[in-house]
Amino acid sequence: GENVEQHPSTLSVQEGDSAVIKCTYSDSASNYFPWYKQELGKGPQLIIDIRSNVGEKKDQRIAVTLNKTAKHFSLHITETQPEDSAVYFCAASTYSGTYKYIFGTGTRLKVLA
Amino acid sequence: ETGVTQTPRHLVMGMTNKKSLKCEQHLGHNAMYWYKQSAKKPLELMFVYSLEERVENNSVPSRFSPECPNSSHLFLHLHTLQPEDSALYLCASSQETPGQEQFFGPGTRLTVL
Repeated sequence: GENVEQHPSTLSVQEGDSAVIKCTYSDSASNYFPWYKQELGKGPQLIIDIRSNVGEKKDQRIAVTLNKTAKHFSLHITETQPEDSAVYFCAASTYSGTYKYIFGTGTRLKVLA
Repeated sequence: ETGVTQTPRHLVMGMTNKKSLKCEQHLGHNAMYWYKQSAKKPLELMFVYSLEERVENNSVPSRFSPECPNSSHLFLHLHTLQPEDSALYLCASSQETPGQEQFFGPGTRLTVL
């Protein structure tokens, strides 16, 4: 079946450094790629997304890039802060009767003060 | 807050109990979802409702029974669960149009003894 691979599973960075999380999807029909942040005891919250007709999108310290040919997309967080510590999930959205997300397995990011 | 609420937040039940999880969305969306989140696994889509009609059932055992009485409410009825069903159950909603983001509730942490 369709799947999304996400790496790394854990990532520790020093405060102020950058963090990069990468995902690869298998369904070439996927056209929408959201990134979610999940803090302890909370549900996933959308932080940024990108559509298949765009190669890059930036929102303050967060950016996402998409390479449709390679079926890769990445999350970049610059100037990391302790409050960025959380689990991050990527997803690829595909239509098969309804719009369905396939999620990656998550990356636990720890920002060390 | 995302506009999606879930109750209860925590639930402990025995294998012979019957319980229900409730989800309510205040966003005017027309699609609602149940996901299961287990440790070190991707979010697993269980059910999708669009315009109050079930459009997807991802091979979920019959001991999980969803109900969508209207576009704002979604229930998950549970009976004779197994310990391996212990997980975080997340509800989400979206507007059922291409590439629309899903908004998640905080989840119900279910423990089956």
